[in-house]
Amino acid sequence: GQQVMQIPQYQHVQEGEDFTTYCNSSTTLSNIQWYKQRPGGHPVFLIQLVKSGEVKKQKRLTFQFGEAKKNSSLHITATQTTDVGTYFCAGPFFVGTSYGKLTFGQGTILTVHP
Amino acid sequence: EAQVTQNPRYLITVTGKKLTVTCSQNMNHEYMSWYRQDPGLGLRQIYYSMNVEVTDKGDVPEGYKVSRKEKRNFPLILESPSPNQTSLYFCASSRQGPTYYEQYFGPGTRLTVT
Repeated sequence: GQQVMQIPQYQHVQEGEDFTTYCNSSTTLSNIQWYKQRPGGHPVFLIQLVKSGEVKKQKRLTFQFGEAKKNSSLHITATQTTDVGTYFCAGPFFVGTSYGKLTFGQGTILTVHP
Repeated sequence: EAQVTQNPRYLITVTGKKLTVTCSQNMNHEYMSWYRQDPGLGLRQIYYSMNVEVTDKGDVPEGYKVSRKEKRNFPLILESPSPNQTSLYFCASSRQGPTYYEQYFGPGTRLTVT
């Protein structure tokens, strides 16, 4: 079946260090979404990538979508304590007659030490 | 305020006692979905609904039922809960299917089955 693998599972950094999480799909994706979940909270949408090779930035966050549209990454420059949380990627898969199935990666739990 | 609501937020029950977790959204979204979150496994989709009266299985549908009689509501039914269904459950909705549309998540329901 369709799988979305995400690494690493955990990342501990000192405040100010950079952080990257990687996402790989077993099949080509139409688009990929990224979410952040703060401790004790619910996932919140960050961004969506659609085009092959696309790069998008949100302040210190840089998102990339691979040329083959099978992998993606999220890079945070100079982490802050407010970046703490779990970061998920998610991709829709075609089942039956629609792209209704949404598969999430396992998530990367980011801890930032002040 | 645009939101997805879930009830109850916390539930402790016993094996075999039927229960329903409600989910409601006020954004007139067509797509709704249920996920369970377990440590190390990320978010796994249980069921999704592309529109009223249209539901389909996600990755882990066993032991769950859903219905979509109205656009705003998407209840999750556990006919005979078992301890392996102890988990954190999230309902989510989006304007249309997950391709190109961000998911809005509810606050979560923490279920314990003893």
